[in-house]
Amino acid sequence: NAGVTQTPKFQVLKTGQSMTLQCAQDMNHEYMSWYRQDPGMGLRLIHYSVGAGITDQGEVPNGYNVSRSTTEDFPLRLLSAAPSQTSVYFCASSLTGDRGVQPQHFGDGTRLSIL
Amino acid sequence: AQSVAQPEDQVNVAEGNPLTVKCTYSVSGNPYLFWYVQYPNRGLQFLLKYITGDNLVKGSYGFEAEFNKSQTSFHLKKPSALVSDSALYFCAVRPYSSASKIIFGSGTRLSIRP
Repeated sequence: NAGVTQTPKFQVLKTGQSMTLQCAQDMNHEYMSWYRQDPGMGLRLIHYSVGAGITDQGEVPNGYNVSRSTTEDFPLRLLSAAPSQTSVYFCASSLTGDRGVQPQHFGDGTRLSIL
Repeated sequence: AQSVAQPEDQVNVAEGNPLTVKCTYSVSGNPYLFWYVQYPNRGLQFLLKYITGDNLVKGSYGFEAEFNKSQTSFHLKKPSALVSDSALYFCAVRPYSSASKIIFGSGTRLSIRP
């Protein structure tokens, strides 16, 4: 049972490039989400999904796309990277029972630098 | 606007002393409250949660938290700090009205000196 797996762990991009951050979980969790972590700002929700085929925007969705074709995978796409997207990105998953009382399980993050 | 505040960027405590990491929230209705811990270069790990019932909840590694509805607070506590407790701590709230969106505080760095 690997939990939540994020790849890659580190990435450096040039402004304007695109890339996909991968996230996979093997716990059969319905809910998956992407956060970015910036110093002094905590975690900010980018996009989330409550099940396969269903996605919605979080607090800071601009510049990012997501899709959820399977329960296990929830990739995050940067369409045209900008220096403001330099951050640490975390994927998390949880069960959705009882209207959200379940704690989230986090991956170890992807550290992304945009030059 | 719904929010979570962690008023202290850093808390310094001597090993063996009690510790408190503060959290206040502003949400409508009855929230679900969580504490997470983050060690260097790792993701967040769940410590404890408050859903309903007893205002004092116990969690992992000897941590506990006290829910105070009148003060809208959910402070994290431990009776005797360990050096290994040094880490970044996040308070989070999941509003009942929006169960899919979780709001995190900005984090408090806890430093335990030997």
